[in-house]
Amino acid sequence: AQTVTQSQPEMSVQEAETVTLSCTYDTSESDYYLFWYKQPPSRQMILVIRQEAYKQQNATENRFSVNFQKAAKSFSLKISDSQLGDAAMYFCAFTQGGSEKLVFGKGTKLTVNP
Amino acid sequence: EAQVTQNPRYLITVTGKKLTVTCSQNMNHEYMSWYRQDPGLGLRQIYYSMNVEVTDKGDVPEGYKVSRKEKRNFPLILESPSPNQTSLYFCASRSLDRSSYNSPLHFGNGTRLTVT
Repeated sequence: AQTVTQSQPEMSVQEAETVTLSCTYDTSESDYYLFWYKQPPSRQMILVIRQEAYKQQNATENRFSVNFQKAAKSFSLKISDSQLGDAAMYFCAFTQGGSEKLVFGKGTKLTVNP
Repeated sequence: EAQVTQNPRYLITVTGKKLTVTCSQNMNHEYMSWYRQDPGLGLRQIYYSMNVEVTDKGDVPEGYKVSRKEKRNFPLILESPSPNQTSLYFCASRSLDRSSYNSPLHFGNGTRLTVT
């Protein structure tokens, strides 16, 4: 069974600084997709970024980027120039190619200090 | 506007009183799913549906029922709620069309359920 591990229950960063959230996963498959979701206090689940396993290039969305290390099964999220609005729970998620199931990590709570 | 609508947003009930949380999506998505979110446990899948009249158990289905009579609706039913079902519930949907292969989930805004 696939598992997703977020080893940092909480993280904090100063406004305008950079922070990296860790995520590792376990799978024997080669075709899969990885996601980072953000959950602000409003409880909405917002897709931040997505990475296809077959792509070697790391995905980037504005200030958000990932460091995808396929051999190490690692998928960390880097937030540059952190803003107060980035404060939220962040969930890493995995889905096998063609599967209907999305497996989530337990989340990392990010605090942004002014 | 494309969205997944859950109702109610908040619900307080007592043990054993049947309740239904509704979920509706306007994107013609084939796939719909229910998750519960608990502190320290992340999101866990309760049930999912690949299309009308097709439902299957997720990781934590005990105590829940679902139905998929129409493509847009996927209600979550708690026949006899218990306090351990106090949680934050999310409905989500996505397309299974080959052109949107492994498209991301669209989530509703969540339902905070308290069972006393």
